Amino acid sequence: EAQVTQNPRYLITVTGKKLTVTCSQNMNHEYMSWYRQDPGLGLRQIYYSMNVEVTDKGDVPEGYKVSRKEKRNFPLILESPSPNQTSLYFCASSLLGQGINQPQHFGDGTRLSIL
Amino acid sequence: GIQVEQSPPDLILQEGANSTLRCNFSDSVNNLQWFHQNPWGQLINLFYIPSGTKQNGRLSATTVATERYSLLYISSSQTTDSGVYFCAVDHTGTASKLTFGTGTRLQVTL
Repeated sequence: EAQVTQNPRYLITVTGKKLTVTCSQNMNHEYMSWYRQDPGLGLRQIYYSMNVEVTDKGDVPEGYKVSRKEKRNFPLILESPSPNQTSLYFCASSLLGQGINQPQHFGDGTRLSIL
Repeated sequence: GIQVEQSPPDLILQEGANSTLRCNFSDSVNNLQWFHQNPWGQLINLFYIPSGTKQNGRLSATTVATERYSLLYISSSQTTDSGVYFCAVDHTGTASKLTFGTGTRLQVTL
């Protein structure tokens, strides 16, 4: 089954303790992205990647790192999490079209609480 | 950046009723998708519809790209249709970012 898989689905942790949210897709998509969703602010892009070893900042990259060493995986790293990073996080992937963009497929979300 | 406005912001329906949700956007787009966010927070992809009309069961969508709007139709609504409906667009031409609207919160009652 074609899917985007995020882990963990839920995490409660403390300020300063490094964490990684994994994202994996089995559709051979070139493009992957991370979004965060906050009440009143909607969904905002954190980072995206157009292919292996190619990553770029979205609208709200501060406090996050990403890497794209393999096509299927795009982990989101919080080196020193803070309470303002408490949020619902989504990973997405899509093919890269020629001139017209392809649909993005979303994972089920990761609910992070930083105490 | 591109602006995406959805209306109405909130909608309460009785089961069996029909509804139309609207998405207006301020610039030409290469991608438009409709999502349903269920009560568990999952984003369900409903339609990829940068132009034209599509139907999937009780749901259908129409995008008039030249007039910069899209409509999502829900017919014979069911309680499982409750949740938030988002329209999202990308106008960059490089699949770099979806810009989401603020959503329509739908509640379907018995």
